[in-house]
Amino acid sequence: GQNIDQPTEMTATEGAIVQINCTYQTSGFNGLFWYQQHAGEAPTFLSYNVLDGLEEKGRFSSFLSRSKGYSYLLLKELQMKDSASYLCAVTDSNYQLIWGAGTKLIIKP
Amino acid sequence: ETGVTQTPRHLVMGMTNKKSLKCEQHLGHNAMYWYKQSAKKPLELMFVYNFKEQTENNSVPSRFSPECPNSSHLFLHLHTLQPEDSALYLCASSQDAEVHQPQHFGDGTRLSIL
Repeated sequence: GQNIDQPTEMTATEGAIVQINCTYQTSGFNGLFWYQQHAGEAPTFLSYNVLDGLEEKGRFSSFLSRSKGYSYLLLKELQMKDSASYLCAVTDSNYQLIWGAGTKLIIKP
Repeated sequence: ETGVTQTPRHLVMGMTNKKSLKCEQHLGHNAMYWYKQSAKKPLELMFVYNFKEQTENNSVPSRFSPECPNSSHLFLHLHTLQPEDSALYLCASSQDAEVHQPQHFGDGTRLSIL
């Protein structure tokens, strides 16, 4: 079966750095997405990785290792507004988007 | 503002009612999607339309019926739903159904079945 694993919940402190991991077992791989979803709001696109390595976009970076079936989202200089759920999704060989259950990130002052 | 608008935001209905969810996108996209989101579960893809043609139906019960009259509008018609259908229903769009295209989501309709 196909599976995306993410921690259910994480807590971090304002101003700090947090890394949210995502591991996947899918039938093939055609790219990995990260989305942010605030409570009661729409998921919004953060990043897309298809090649190994680190993609940096401001305070957020996303890393991919295809050989390990592993990605992480790195959030720096955390702000209270970063409290949200972070969703990892992988496109498999049939171009189906497989979603993780999301990681709820709680930022404390 | 994501460019994808869903109405209503909240809906409470009985199991014998018939209602419809509406989605409109103002992004000029050609692909539209319906998802079901339940608490602490992954997003479940229900239907995909690409250039107004349905390309995906992930074994969704027939009590859910999609309609896509044009590339900007998507409906989900509901009838004789069950309590387990209570969830957040999200609409999304993308430029087309190509794999590298990010999806833009609406804020969803929170559906409660009595």
